Amino acid sequence: KAGVTQTPRYLIKTRGQQVTLSCSPISGHRSVSWYQQTPGQGLQFLFEYFSETQRNKGNFPGRFSGRQFSNSRSEMNVSTLELGDSALYLCASSLGFQQPYEQYFGPGTRLTVT
Amino acid sequence: AQTVTQSQPEMSVQEAETVTLSCTYDTSESNYYLFWYKQPPSRQMILVIRQEAYKQQNATENRFSVNFQKAAKSFSLKISDSQLGDTAMYFCAFMKGGTSYGKLTFGQGTILTVHP
Repeated sequence: KAGVTQTPRYLIKTRGQQVTLSCSPISGHRSVSWYQQTPGQGLQFLFEYFSETQRNKGNFPGRFSGRQFSNSRSEMNVSTLELGDSALYLCASSLGFQQPYEQYFGPGTRLTVT
Repeated sequence: AQTVTQSQPEMSVQEAETVTLSCTYDTSESNYYLFWYKQPPSRQMILVIRQEAYKQQNATENRFSVNFQKAAKSFSLKISDSQLGDTAMYFCAFMKGGTSYGKLTFGQGTILTVHP
């Protein structure tokens, strides 16, 4: 089976712009979770989608949003980018309907905001 | 809210030796899961081992094993016969059972370096 894929792998944006990141889960997985990884804050949970519905959400401002499509692919969007949004964004997929929702991670998208 | 603490920012070990990484967590939940993830320099996060809180038996996966002390809220990872490929950042993670729906709470990580 192919693993979790994320596109693009690297991105450079300017403060104030918006960005969309994409995640394709492992075939058969219906849940996609998103995480932000920074040296200062570590790994923080953004949100999780299952069957096109957001089931869980972390403590991030409304500038961070996501969605999931019928084929389970997910996108996350960050609007009005700030310098502090520079991070590695990881997505993880799981079956989503059976605990413990064991997650498999993608390689990440490195976002740099200048 | 749950917290996960990894008190060792960095550790090093010689090839073929054994090393133990520490993790403690704080929760009032009775139903939860604990994980160790490995993130090599290439950045792909890999699941190393998983432990269900309701299981008393410590999980093992080849050279990796855990020491799960539920009362002490401790979840350490032991790597036996360390290999150069074990060099990575290791994260301890907590997931609440029930309606956590894929939310992992991570510790700050431990950088492990295996020396030849």
